[in-house]
Amino acid sequence: DAKTTQPNSMESNEEEPVHLPCNHSTISGTDYIHWYRQLPSQGPEYVIHGLTSNVNNRMASLAIAEDRKSSTLILHRATLRDAAVYYCILRGLNQAGTALIFGKGTTLSVSS
Amino acid sequence: DTEVTQTPKHLVMGMTNKKSLKCEQHMGHRAMYWYKQKAKKPPELMFVYSYEKLSINESVPSRFSPECPNSSLLNLHLHALQPEDSALYLCASSQGKEGARGGYTFGSGTRLTVV
Repeated sequence: DAKTTQPNSMESNEEEPVHLPCNHSTISGTDYIHWYRQLPSQGPEYVIHGLTSNVNNRMASLAIAEDRKSSTLILHRATLRDAAVYYCILRGLNQAGTALIFGKGTTLSVSS
Repeated sequence: DTEVTQTPKHLVMGMTNKKSLKCEQHMGHRAMYWYKQKAKKPPELMFVYSYEKLSINESVPSRFSPECPNSSLLNLHLHALQPEDSALYLCASSQGKEGARGGYTFGSGTRLTVV
């Protein structure tokens, strides 16, 4: 898996937007960008993924740079429940059925 | 059913005990995984099963023995563990041939303590 780089930690206040960055300068043209998060005492859960275009779902938005060397996960209004470790993972088209490999991720703290 | 169910949620075992962790999914996923997670660390891959066959063993000690009796069940048999094996053990499943799209589902894990 191509390498990703994320800040170790970030802080936010409740009800404010949060922008979680991920650098992936060695991304290949067929790598998808996936985000998973892990709430305390839970297993990781899928958040969002994308290839080239920005993506939105009910949980978050994913903004992908034009050169695809970086991306940003956007939580539009952080809640206390969003406090978690967020993992940015690259997955290639030829990796179907293979495991997710986790980096260190970003620990997000949310204050009321 | 969109869940991966792991049992037990907590397990305390002695170093001479034999125990098993169980994982079950009914989403029709054909790939299943075991991960080990130490405190404040990311999950580390242990084993991958694809279509009930072991496809990846990440150099895990033989005191951990995986088993996939059918496409819905995954077991992890534990024997003669060491205190440093204490960790959260996570099970996951995926469609197996979905390509690069999302679709990995994780269980909540078994918190294992070896005494």
